[in-house]
Amino acid sequence: NAGVMQNPRHLVRRRGQEARLRCSPMKGHSHVYWYRQLPEEGLKFMVYLQKENIIDESGMPKERFSAEFPKEGPSILRIQQVVRGDSAAYFCASSPTSSEQYFGPGTRLTVT
Amino acid sequence: GENVEQHPSTLSVQEGDSAVIKCTYSDSASNYFPWYKQELGKRPQLIIDIRSNVGEKKDQRIAVTLNKTAKHFSLHITETQPEDSAVYFCAASIADSGYALNFGKGTSLLVTP
Repeated sequence: NAGVMQNPRHLVRRRGQEARLRCSPMKGHSHVYWYRQLPEEGLKFMVYLQKENIIDESGMPKERFSAEFPKEGPSILRIQQVVRGDSAAYFCASSPTSSEQYFGPGTRLTVT
Repeated sequence: GENVEQHPSTLSVQEGDSAVIKCTYSDSASNYFPWYKQELGKRPQLIIDIRSNVGEKKDQRIAVTLNKTAKHFSLHITETQPEDSAVYFCAASIADSGYALNFGKGTSLLVTP
């Protein structure tokens, strides 16, 4: 059973460009969470999704950030018009029950 | 919302000694408390978790204790080994409800040979 997959692992974007981060949950998991981790800090919740539904986006900035988990394919976190402050590691986690969460390897976004 | 405090921020022990990391939480509705280990540049890995209907859980050299009244929980690692060196995060949530994990800021554990 493959673990949570994320791609790309590293992403470099210039200020003003768009970043698209992808997450494929573990087989059989229907709950997906996105977290952001700044250097030497803990993980901060951004958004929780189930298939075709955003359940809780209370941790996500109102502007420039969006997320989706379509019926087919991976979950996508999209950041428009990136700024330097968006540089961070973005982790997704999946869960079979909305309790125990298993994390992917993360995407390290660098904005130049 | 839930606020999770974690102490200490750094911990250095000698190989073979025990290590204890403590967390407190603020929301009495929280009932699920996982611990994650994160090595440098790697994903957080779930190492143990506990629910509020039990006070203690063990898995080999790792144990977690929970005091619901005081709203604190602790991770205990016995007979530490150099490969235990990593950053450890505690978290709190409400199980099976879709609530996100609220993480502490992490403890950097260094086990010296």
